[in-house]
Amino acid sequence: AQTVTQSQPEMSVQEAETVTLSCTYDTSENNYYLFWYKQPPSRQMILVIRQEAYKQQNATENRFSVNFQKAAKSFSLKISDSQLGDTAMYFCAFIRGEGAQKLVFGQGTRLTINP
Amino acid sequence: SQTIHQWPATLVQPVGSPLSLECTVEGTSNPNLYWYRQAAGRGLQLLFYSVGIGQISSEVPQNLSASRPQDRQFILSSKKLLLSDSGFYLCAWSVLGQNTGELFFGEGSRLTVL
Repeated sequence: AQTVTQSQPEMSVQEAETVTLSCTYDTSENNYYLFWYKQPPSRQMILVIRQEAYKQQNATENRFSVNFQKAAKSFSLKISDSQLGDTAMYFCAFIRGEGAQKLVFGQGTRLTINP
Repeated sequence: SQTIHQWPATLVQPVGSPLSLECTVEGTSNPNLYWYRQAAGRGLQLLFYSVGIGQISSEVPQNLSASRPQDRQFILSSKKLLLSDSGFYLCAWSVLGQNTGELFFGEGSRLTVL
């Protein structure tokens, strides 16, 4: 069974700083996708960034980037120039590549950006 | 554009009472539908998912059930609530057949069982 682990329950940084959230996963699959989801205090969860396992290049979306280490099964999220609006719960998630319907989530990291 | 709504947003129920949480999706057809439960420190746990009307897959044995009476309607139910059913329930949808992992979530329903 696939598992996703986020070892940082809470993090806090100052506005404009860079912060990295950690995620490790366990799978025997070779084809899969990894994701970071953001859940702001308003509670509606949204997708932040997606990484296909077959791609060696790390995904980036504006201030958000990932460090995908397939051999180490590590998938960290870096937020550059953090903003107050980045305050949220962040969930790392995994899905198998072939015909899978189920997203497996980590426990979440509560990130607070301080002014 | 697609939207997803779930209600009620907040619910306080006594132990042993029934439950019905509803979720509807608009602006798309044949979505995959999901119910997740979010517990503090435990992330999101998939409870049920559905790939079509009347097709329900259960992920964990529990006191809850799900139904999909219409293409874009997903209902989470219980005949008799337990204290352990308290939590934050999220409905989500994704494009059928597309396993790229992008889920679109509702606003959530907070259930407190007393």
